[in-house]
Formats: sequence, C-alpha cells, structure tokens
Amino acid sequence: ETGVTQTPRHLVMGMTNKKSLKCEQHLGHNAMYWYKQSAKKPLELMFVYNFKEQTENNSVPSRFSPECPNSSHLFLHLHTLQPEDSALYLCASSQDQGGANVLTFGAGSRLTVL
Amino acid sequence: AQSVTQLGSHVSVSEGALVLLRCNYSSSVPPYLFWYVQYPNQGLQLLLKYTSAATLVKGINGFEAEFKKSETSFHLTKPSAHMSDAAEYFCAVRGGSQGNLIFGKGTKLSVKP
Repeated sequence: ETGVTQTPRHLVMGMTNKKSLKCEQHLGHNAMYWYKQSAKKPLELMFVYNFKEQTENNSVPSRFSPECPNSSHLFLHLHTLQPEDSALYLCASSQDQGGANVLTFGAGSRLTVL
Repeated sequence: AQSVTQLGSHVSVSEGALVLLRCNYSSSVPPYLFWYVQYPNQGLQLLLKYTSAATLVKGINGFEAEFKKSETSFHLTKPSAHMSDAAEYFCAVRGGSQGNLIFGKGTKLSVKP
C-alpha cells in the first residue's frame, strides 16, 4: 500500500473511553504530523515528529497523547475526550520539515465524542 | 509570523466559467506558498506550490496560481470549471526554511451545470 493510511476511518466514543488513531506512511518520509479539522475553522496543527522525535506540540490538551515508534508510524491516543473534540483528524507526512517540503495527507479519521 | 486569508468561504461558478479563488498571505520572510484541494471524505491533496523559481505556477487539473509580492497574493485560477472541480480549496504558507505550514480557512467551490 502506498501513501498515508489512517485507521479507523470513523470512530464513535464516549467521554470515558480510551481509543487510538493510527497513521502509517510508506513514502520513506522523515516527518509526520497530526492536524485537527473542525467545521468553519482552519486546520489546526497538533503535533509534529521528525525522525521519531517530537518537535512541535501546539498547546494540545493532555487528553491527546501522540506516539511515534518509528518514522513510518504515528499514533494518537485518546482518553476522557470532550464533545468539542469531535472533528476530522488528519495525519500527514513530508520528506523533511520546513522549506518547500510538501505534506502528503491521509484520508482522515472522523471522530465523534458522545 | 505567517498568516493566510482566503476571501470567500464559498464560491459558486457555472461549468465552463472562470474559477478564481483568492488568497492573501502575511510573512516576514520570503514565503513558500501552497494550494491544496480536499474532495469529500478525503484528505488534502497538493494542487501546486510556489518556491520562488517562477511567479506563475502551474498545477494539476488545469489550475494555476500567480505569486504577486506587491499584493501579497497567491490567487488560484482555472480558465474553465468542470463539475469534478467541486471541492474545498486551501491556501497555505510557510515562512522560510523553518516553521510549519499555516492553512487558511478554506473556500468551498461549487460548480453548477
């Protein structure tokens, strides 16, 4: 499989549940990103990893916990979420950070928090 | 700091008409500029990017954009709209070699038959 793959595509969870989103890229990229996409708001950068090291945490609440075990995989662990956390979570990767590097996006995980 | 403003959250054109989606940016250093497209239930896909090599940039699906430093603009155009162009379009800026990509709020393009 090529490109950036996100699973699950849809997730419904209660506020007390614990779940995880998974992202996998087969492009040989070194940087991976989590974005949150909510209606009528710009894409919000959440986390950036470069060579498995976290380089950016954009003041994200601790109920979101990222994990990057290697350059090909990125997880977003979710616990005790709020209804306002319902959104489309997009994973992306790029060869490196910065400059003219192009982000390649996955199709997203649509999260609904009840 | 960088920022992006997309004028018009929704643009509607007739099939065959000119498409013009507006983007203005703010950057304290020479910017890298991008246009992405998002079709329903999909992630974002790169249309084109500006990296200072040429001010007129051609992208996929017949789209192009012109970088105008004096106007701090990077508007996206297509001479003739097709029904398949209906999607949401995002302009993004990155200031210099460092820094992350900053996205605009997006413009939803509708194409009428």
